[in-house]
Amino acid sequence: QSALTQPPSASGSPGHSVSISCTGTNSDIGGYNYVSWYQQHPGKAPKLMIYEVTRRPSGVPARFSGSKSGNTASLTIYGLQAEDEADYYCSSFVGNNNLIFGGGTKVTVL
Amino acid sequence: QVQLQESGPGLVKPSETLSLTCTVSGGSVNTYYWSWIRQPPGRGLEWIGYVYSSGNTNYNPSLKSRVAISADTSKNQFSLKLISVTAADTALYYCARDRGPMSYFDFWGQGMLVTVSS
Repeated sequence: QSALTQPPSASGSPGHSVSISCTGTNSDIGGYNYVSWYQQHPGKAPKLMIYEVTRRPSGVPARFSGSKSGNTASLTIYGLQAEDEADYYCSSFVGNNNLIFGGGTKVTVL
Repeated sequence: QVQLQESGPGLVKPSETLSLTCTVSGGSVNTYYWSWIRQPPGRGLEWIGYVYSSGNTNYNPSLKSRVAISADTSKNQFSLKLISVTAADTALYYCARDRGPMSYFDFWGQGMLVTVSS
C-alpha cells in the first residue's frame, strides 16, 4: 500500500493562510471519512489536529480546518502563527483493513 | 488525561526480536483500541497494528508476518513484538490510543528509539 501523497513543503507569512493537500485513491481517502491530520514539532510526538475529515479535538485552535474533495483531503491553517511551524502528516483508513499516512509536509512560517 | 509511556531495549541485534511495552495511565486498556506506530529517523509515520481489550488484533499487511501485539489488562499495558529485525526496523516507536479501529490517534507516548545493530 503506497503512502498518501503530500507536498514536501509549504510556507506562509504570519497572519496569512496555508493549505496542505493529501492525495489518495478511491480505496482510502475517496472511500471513507476517516482522514486525520497530525502536527509534529522536532523531537516531539505527533499531535492530533483534525479527525474524521473536518472535526477538531478539544484544545485545537479554530484556525485549523480540514476538508475533502474526491480522493484529496486538505488541511488549511488560517492566521498562521510562528508556533505552527512543524511537520504535518495526514492519514486515512484503507479498505483492506489498513491505515496509511502521508509522507509529511514541512510548514515554514516566513 | 490519558498518558502512555513506551519502555524496552533501545538496541536490538539483527535477526533478533524487538520487544516494547506501553504502560497506560489515566485510562484503561479494557476500552478503546491501542496501536503501535513507528517513524524511521528523518522519515514519515507507519502504522504497525492494534490490539483491542478482548485480544482482537489487526496488523499492517506489510509487517503482518513478523509482528504480534498483545494486551495485559491486569497491568494496564500492551506490548509489541517484532521478529527477525533488520536495520530497516530502526525507528522511533510510538504507542497511541486508537479511537478506531484505525480511525485516529488522540493520545501518544513520547516515543522510544530502537536501533537495530550488531
